[in-house]
Amino acid sequence: DAGVTQSPTHLIKTRGQQVTLRCSPKSGHDTVSWYQQALGQGPQFIFQYYEEEERQRGNFPDRFSGHQFPNYSSELNVNALLLGDSALYLCASSFSGLDNKFEAFFGQGTRLTVV
Amino acid sequence: AQSVTQPDIHITVSEGASLELRCNYSYGATPYLFWYVQSPGQGLQLLLKYFSGDTLVQGIKGFEAEFKRSQSSFNLRKPSVHWSDAAEYFCAVGALNTGFQKLVFGTGTRLLVSP
Repeated sequence: DAGVTQSPTHLIKTRGQQVTLRCSPKSGHDTVSWYQQALGQGPQFIFQYYEEEERQRGNFPDRFSGHQFPNYSSELNVNALLLGDSALYLCASSFSGLDNKFEAFFGQGTRLTVV
Repeated sequence: AQSVTQPDIHITVSEGASLELRCNYSYGATPYLFWYVQSPGQGLQLLLKYFSGDTLVQGIKGFEAEFKRSQSSFNLRKPSVHWSDAAEYFCAVGALNTGFQKLVFGTGTRLLVSP
């Protein structure tokens, strides 16, 4: 059973460009959350997708947007990249059932460097 | 708002010695608490979780944690540290907002293991 997979693993972009990161959730999971982890920091919640809709959002600007597809996979898009967007972007999947209790499984992350 | 404090940025422990990593949380209701471990350049791996019941929880790799409501703490322990335990450790609380959950992380504690 493949866990959470993210692509690409590394990415270098120039300021002002746009980037798309991808995530495939663990089998049986229907909810995808995205986190940004700056160097030396803990992960910060960006947003969560369930049933192809953004259900909750953290304190991130509208430059950050996402999408969830019918197969539960998800994309994170960042427009007008800033140097400060350089970070490890983590995708976490979970199951929305009543017995889920927040158990999230994380992918290996995408390391984004903005130059 | 929910928050997690990990007061120790770095901890160095001799191989074979015992370990305790501190975590304090702030949350208005009964928390769901987690410890994750992250090796360099990797994603997050769940070590253990607390939902309810027995306040001493066992996890993988010989780790355990104790939930103390009176102290708002969830400290991670291991009786004998191995060199492979060197990594970054994150404590997190599951925050439930309008029926949808997110994880709020601490800033992490980097564990160094000396020979």
